[in-house]
Amino acid sequence: DTEVTQTPKHLVMGMTNKKSLKCEQHMGHRAMYWYKQKAKKPPELMFVYSYEKLSINESVPSRFSPECPNSSLLNLHLHALQPEDSALYLCASSQSRGGYGYTFGSGTRLTVV
Amino acid sequence: ELKVEQNPLFLSMQEGKNYTIYCNYSTTSDRLYWYRQDPGKSLESLFVLLSNGAVKQEGRLMASLDTKARLSTLHITAAVHDLSATYFCAVDLSGTYKYIFGTGTRLKVLA
Repeated sequence: DTEVTQTPKHLVMGMTNKKSLKCEQHMGHRAMYWYKQKAKKPPELMFVYSYEKLSINESVPSRFSPECPNSSLLNLHLHALQPEDSALYLCASSQSRGGYGYTFGSGTRLTVV
Repeated sequence: ELKVEQNPLFLSMQEGKNYTIYCNYSTTSDRLYWYRQDPGKSLESLFVLLSNGAVKQEGRLMASLDTKARLSTLHITAAVHDLSATYFCAVDLSGTYKYIFGTGTRLKVLA
């Protein structure tokens, strides 16, 4: 299995809702990432998990809460989002530090209304 | 602060023509990656360049890395419409898990 699977592919949520994005990989990668991408912009790093521990938080607002239940799963819990949080959320994984690059999931297109 | 700049930002070219996209970065790194992104889609890995002088080729695309000049190039040979996409380079911030993405180059190949 050489894929990173993200669900759902599309999500529309209200500003008072709570939802979660899910990411799964079975490549034995020990680093997993959440990126946010706005239209026509490069991806921006949000969080990095290394060996299931949070190693980087790029000063992301607390309404985004990551969780890594095990080495294959990564969640992003969403609560009280703002319309400006609408974006493509990308999960990625890699074998180790840098190395051979990231494998990206197909992304979740999030719309906050 | 590490900066990664690509040029051009936009490129419209005729089928059959050759062109080069440049990726400049501001700090020492010996690892650079190229990705392709189609509209509304995720990023697809194209090339992994892990040392000075590395050159990789796949089909009509060839990537190279000069770590001394802090420059990578993505050369397109005899462009075809299917190459229309946005291309990102990304630099590995040494010692961390962090990649910094370039500004992106939106390529449109006209038939």
